[in-house]
Amino acid sequence: DTGVSQNPRHKITKRGQNVTFRCDPISEHNRLYWYRQTLGQGPEFLTYFQNEAQLEKSRLLSDRFSAERPKGSFSTLEIQRTEQGDSAMYLCASSFPPSAVHNEQFFGPGTRLTVL
Amino acid sequence: QQPVQSPQAVILREGEDAVINCSSSKALYSVHWYRQKHGEAPVFLMILLKGGEQKGHDKISASFNEKKQQSSLYLTASQLSYSGTYFCGTEGSGGGADGLTFGKGTHLIIQP
Repeated sequence: DTGVSQNPRHKITKRGQNVTFRCDPISEHNRLYWYRQTLGQGPEFLTYFQNEAQLEKSRLLSDRFSAERPKGSFSTLEIQRTEQGDSAMYLCASSFPPSAVHNEQFFGPGTRLTVL
Repeated sequence: QQPVQSPQAVILREGEDAVINCSSSKALYSVHWYRQKHGEAPVFLMILLKGGEQKGHDKISASFNEKKQQSSLYLTASQLSYSGTYFCGTEGSGGGADGLTFGKGTHLIIQP
């Protein structure tokens, strides 16, 4: 399978615990995005990387959130001291470098986080 | 700013047509359309760039009116498989590779 993959698919944790999610983008895609989606809403942009550089961070990304893409391939998203409000689906997407025309983003299946 | 989608929901019989609108208050570089089925990831449908182009494949097409900052998605002769939630995602006029700003979605239900 050559699509975007995410692990784990589901995570249940207790409030105050730390969690880490992983995203493997489509091979050779050098842009990687993280989004968060809650029930009944569209995905909300969190941050994105071009290769290993984190180029943009949303104001939604509090200090408890950190993302890395150390070798420009897979990425991790860590949430420290989780809160019940962090419960959501965390989606990863990847894209080609933008030509003059296209920046299609392809999404992975997501990691559903439940904070008890 | 979040684009506004309309209608919020629509129920159709198989074979009927539907139009979903996406409107933004800011200048746009592009509009992306996705379909998401319950419990699944959003699936990319198409991207439209400023310039007022129209695109389509099979029985799904879309247009982008740059002057009005509006895009419309057209589904003709709808099939059961078209059911799902449709999202438009927008990029600001800076263009490039920004994260997308998504609307709240339009729920489409196709009945046999």
